[in-house]
Amino acid sequence: EIVLTESPGTLSLSPGERATLSCRASQSVSSNLLAWYQQKPGQAPRLLIYGASRRATGIPDRFSGSGSGTDFTLTISSLEPEDFAVYYCQQSDSSSWTFGPGTRVEIK
Amino acid sequence: EVQLVESGGGLVQPGGSLRLSCAASGFTFTSYSMSWVRQAPGQGLEWVSLIDTTGGNTYYADSVKGRFTLSRDNSKNMVYLQMMSLRADDTAVYYCAKGGSSWFYFDSWGQGTLLTVSS
Repeated sequence: EIVLTESPGTLSLSPGERATLSCRASQSVSSNLLAWYQQKPGQAPRLLIYGASRRATGIPDRFSGSGSGTDFTLTISSLEPEDFAVYYCQQSDSSSWTFGPGTRVEIK
Repeated sequence: EVQLVESGGGLVQPGGSLRLSCAASGFTFTSYSMSWVRQAPGQGLEWVSLIDTTGGNTYYADSVKGRFTLSRDNSKNMVYLQMMSLRADDTAVYYCAKGGSSWFYFDSWGQGTLLTVSS
């Protein structure tokens, strides 16, 4: 089973700053099988990015995904107040779907 | 608009059984895989199970294999998660999630239903 590790665990930033979140896999992941989600307190997760770099419907272009192999990145170019949340990466492999432990983006 | 509405959560004693339901609307149900993902209190997301478009293939996390059974009724746009031999570590919010254009990711989620396993 592929294990995903996200870093940092918590990112403390101010609105307007750039956020860079990392997701590392224990084995190579096909790029089209890596997704990112946002979750706010008390809410269901929301799909942001799929196929490593494709924005989901309605997602602002300040969110971007990149990477390949074992290293993937979610970038938020300029944080808006509504972007402070927990972010999870997720991969699919051999009929198994796994999530990373999450990165919390908090207001500094 | 895609809508996924979960129901059936509640308080169950260890060793007990429960069935969760997910009512889907706003999309062509028969064209998409469906999944359950759970989140224990204060914890991250854990994929539980996935069913393909016809219901002919189901997949389970090792943590629930042999105890949980996922099914779908394409005539009613419903998904069901039958859970048996429940344990305290099954306590979580259970989300119903719709597969994307490929079944590798989840593009829509319900609001979740809480299962508490406790004596």
